[in-house]
Amino acid sequence: AQSVTQLGSHVSVSEGALVLLRCNYSSSVPPYLFWYVQYPNQGLQLLLKYTSAATLVKGINGFEAEFKKSETSFHLTKPSAHMSDAAEYFCAVSTRRGGGFKTIFGAGTRLFVKA
Amino acid sequence: DTGVSQNPRHKITKRGQNVTFRCDPISEHNRLYWYRQTLGQGPEFLTYFQNEAQLEKSRLLSDRFSAERPKGSFSTLEIQRTEQGDSAMYLCASSLALRDSQPPLYGYTFGSGTRLTVV
Repeated sequence: AQSVTQLGSHVSVSEGALVLLRCNYSSSVPPYLFWYVQYPNQGLQLLLKYTSAATLVKGINGFEAEFKKSETSFHLTKPSAHMSDAAEYFCAVSTRRGGGFKTIFGAGTRLFVKA
Repeated sequence: DTGVSQNPRHKITKRGQNVTFRCDPISEHNRLYWYRQTLGQGPEFLTYFQNEAQLEKSRLLSDRFSAERPKGSFSTLEIQRTEQGDSAMYLCASSLALRDSQPPLYGYTFGSGTRLTVV
């Protein structure tokens, strides 16, 4: 069965500092991995995705993530945090199930950015 | 296209009442998903459709929950005899897959959700 673990329910960084949000997954088949961001009272928005091409993927707003199969990880990073990055971030894994695909989400990590 | 639309945005209901939510996906998307999200948690899978066919339903979903997608366009999620534990944000998402074996290469597009409060 597939699962997603996000380490740290809350992460706080200073503006301009490195952002690192951790995600580990478990899947018995090759996974497709995603990061989503959710701002208050809004739906989830896709940040970036890994779909078996390059292991280092770049997304919107300067975020990137690296797929490491040996570590079963897909950590999200951004070199320099901005106040507007404050939001909740969800890692997700999608695997083939029956006639289609099913996506499971992690519990989320709330990012706080201090001025 | 204005994205995925969900109605209503908010619903307050008394325990024991039935409620129905509607989701209008992006018109060219053939897959539609329902998730439930409670405070401090990630979205929890409920069910999904490919066109009008309901392909999977979560084992966590009781028989009080039912979803339909007539004609493969909009979808409705009904909760019968609501309980306080049903209070949550109900999210709808859609995606495009050109064939059954194709993964969600572009991820999902989510609506803003329907917040249900059962009192």
